[in-house]
Amino acid sequence: QVQLQQSGPGLVEPSQTLSLTCGISGDSVSSNSAAWNWIRQSPSGGLEWLGRTYYRSNWFFDYAVSVRGRMIINPDASKNQFSLLLNSVTPEDTAIYYCARISQATSAVWGRGTPVTVSS
Amino acid sequence: DIVMTQSPDSLAVSLGERATINCKSSQSVFHSSNNINYLTWYQQKPGQPPRLLIYWASTREYGVPDRFSGSGSGTDFTLTISSLQAEDVAVYYCHQYYSAPLSFGGGTKVEIK
Repeated sequence: QVQLQQSGPGLVEPSQTLSLTCGISGDSVSSNSAAWNWIRQSPSGGLEWLGRTYYRSNWFFDYAVSVRGRMIINPDASKNQFSLLLNSVTPEDTAIYYCARISQATSAVWGRGTPVTVSS
Repeated sequence: DIVMTQSPDSLAVSLGERATINCKSSQSVFHSSNNINYLTWYQQKPGQPPRLLIYWASTREYGVPDRFSGSGSGTDFTLTISSLQAEDVAVYYCHQYYSAPLSFGGGTKVEIK
């Protein structure tokens, strides 16, 4: 059974970098059939896909236009996890952040979510 | 980019009655090489992460009651709750994972009439 365990701070100051980690059990970040995603949900409620990484002999990355240039996803095969780095945060980045395995080959699995507030 | 449009925004249905939610994608999410629609339905209750209900447009996730069903293909999809129960009060989202950027519908809030 695949499970994702999220960790990271719930409060980040404006202009700083948000760093979250998603630990994987029951699957591998290097799986050739899965993609590892970050998704957020703003206080207004909508779900926004942020980006993903996946391994198909090489590592690939896709990012939403809204965060491209500010966001990096780092896979770490040695720890079987992947992380999100979002720099220059503003109050508009306040949201619940979810990691998720989304695969075209099987059903999706989500983490429990990390509420993040950007405030001084 | 694929835009997902859900309707209605909200829906009030009597207990035991049918609830129908529609989702339209701006481009097809059907993969002809394997006959799969990369369309998922989620249920979200307050304070909880989204719960997967349906994937591949019509495959029910393990443990999901059979009153939930998904249908459609290409660009038009439907989630049906055949007999609404009190525990089904939630917001429902459709989601395409056919191509990046992945995208979600705006959500449909289901309430009891």
